[in-house]
Amino acid sequence: DAGVIQSPRHEVTEMGQEVTLRCKPISGHNSLFWYRQTMMRGLELLIYFNNNVPIDDSGMPEDRFSAKMPNASFSTLKIQPSEPRDSAVYFCASSPFDRANYGYTFGSGTRLTVV
Amino acid sequence: DAKTTQPPSMDCAEGRAANLPCNHSTISGNEYVYWYRQIHSQGPQYIIHGLKNNETNEMASLIITEDRKSSTLILPHATLRDTAVYYCIVRVAKYGNKLVFGAGTILRVKS
Repeated sequence: DAGVIQSPRHEVTEMGQEVTLRCKPISGHNSLFWYRQTMMRGLELLIYFNNNVPIDDSGMPEDRFSAKMPNASFSTLKIQPSEPRDSAVYFCASSPFDRANYGYTFGSGTRLTVV
Repeated sequence: DAKTTQPPSMDCAEGRAANLPCNHSTISGNEYVYWYRQIHSQGPQYIIHGLKNNETNEMASLIITEDRKSSTLILPHATLRDTAVYYCIVRVAKYGNKLVFGAGTILRVKS
C-alpha cells in the first residue's frame, strides 16, 4: 500500500500563475478530502468528495480555487490566479466508504509558495 | 460536531508516560472521540478512536470517562519521536463525514 500520494512535494510559483496540485487516494477509499495548513489558521478543510462527487465545498476560500475528482483514483486542486496569501501546505486525505469509524490517511502534503 | 478543549502544550520526559487530556463536555451519544497527531512537516496521522469504552492499540491507549465528557490519550513510554501536535476530535462516525481539526496540544518529549 503506497498510501495517499501527492504531487508535487514543493511548488514555487509567481503571483498570477495557475497552480495545480494532484492527489492519488488509497485504492478502495471512496472519500477524499483536501486540507490547507498555515501557521495562522491551522488545518482547514477545503472540500471533500464521496464516490467522486463533491459533497461540501464550503471551505474553499474563493472562486480562484476549484477541485475535481474525475475518477476514483485521482483528484486535483487548482488555484487560478494564485496569490501570495495562498502560500501554505496542502494535504490530501482519503478514507474507506464502508468503514465509517476508520481513520483518515493523509498524504505528505504539497508545500506551495507564491511569490 | 461537538467542540473540544485541549491544553496548548505539554512536556514529558523520555521513557515516561505521556497523558494528554481533552474535554468534550457537549459530546452527543453518537459521537466518537478521535486522536490524530502531526509530526513536524508531515501529514496528520491517525492514532486511535473510541465511543465509550477504553481502547488500546500498538500506539496508545484511550481512556474515556463514564460520562464521556472528557478523555485522555496515553502514550505509555514516550520517545523523542513522539514530539508532535496531538489533536482530539469529536465527530459522528458516518462515512465521509468531515474531520475538523482544532489547535491541538504540542507535546514535547525531552531527554
